[in-house]
Amino acid sequence: GAVVSQHPSWVICKSGTSVKIECRSLDFQATTMFWYRQFPKQSLMLMATSNEGSKATYEQGVEKDKFLINHASLTLSTLTVTSAHPEDSSFYICSAMGPHSYEQYFGPGTRLTVT
Amino acid sequence: EDKVVQSPLSLVVHEGDTVTLNCSYEVTNFRSLLWYKQEKKAPTFLFMLTSSGIEKKSGRLSSILDKKELFSILNITATQTGDSAIYLCARWDQGGKLIFGQGTELSVKP
Repeated sequence: GAVVSQHPSWVICKSGTSVKIECRSLDFQATTMFWYRQFPKQSLMLMATSNEGSKATYEQGVEKDKFLINHASLTLSTLTVTSAHPEDSSFYICSAMGPHSYEQYFGPGTRLTVT
Repeated sequence: EDKVVQSPLSLVVHEGDTVTLNCSYEVTNFRSLLWYKQEKKAPTFLFMLTSSGIEKKSGRLSSILDKKELFSILNITATQTGDSAIYLCARWDQGGKLIFGQGTELSVKP
């Protein structure tokens, strides 16, 4: 099946710094990718929909200036958490819509800890 | 609204038991209902249900969708310790977005 990778798999950063997370579709082109956040013991919450070559669509309550999304190519979307704070510590997961548009493939996730 | 509600939120059973997990959803923009299993990392796909009343099976797991009553169930028979995980259902809407339920945390004791 299709493979989606994320990098890094975990990161620790200091409060106030920015962190970039990459999401790559390895063996298919993904015009649409999604970014989710998952807090401990909670479900996945959709943050934004990322379309190649256009601006991301953010869900209600998600600050677009804080969570910068760039989908510059058909195989790469990036999420940058700017001026991170401890409350941004979470598990961030991306998914990519497959070529047939009826399946989503999830990356392995990135665990962010902000100290 | 986008709500997807799962029940129970957690469940503890013994190996060999059969479990039924429930998922109800709101109908707005509905395309399909999906089930995922999540262990340590990202969710892994189990089933996609689009048509009502058609059971999907994979080994000891099966699932069915009722579009009239807006719910789905996931059955696991003869549970094993390796079935311990969080089971997530998600409504997939016409725009491609997945709206997840809270998940059911299943723990299977030996």
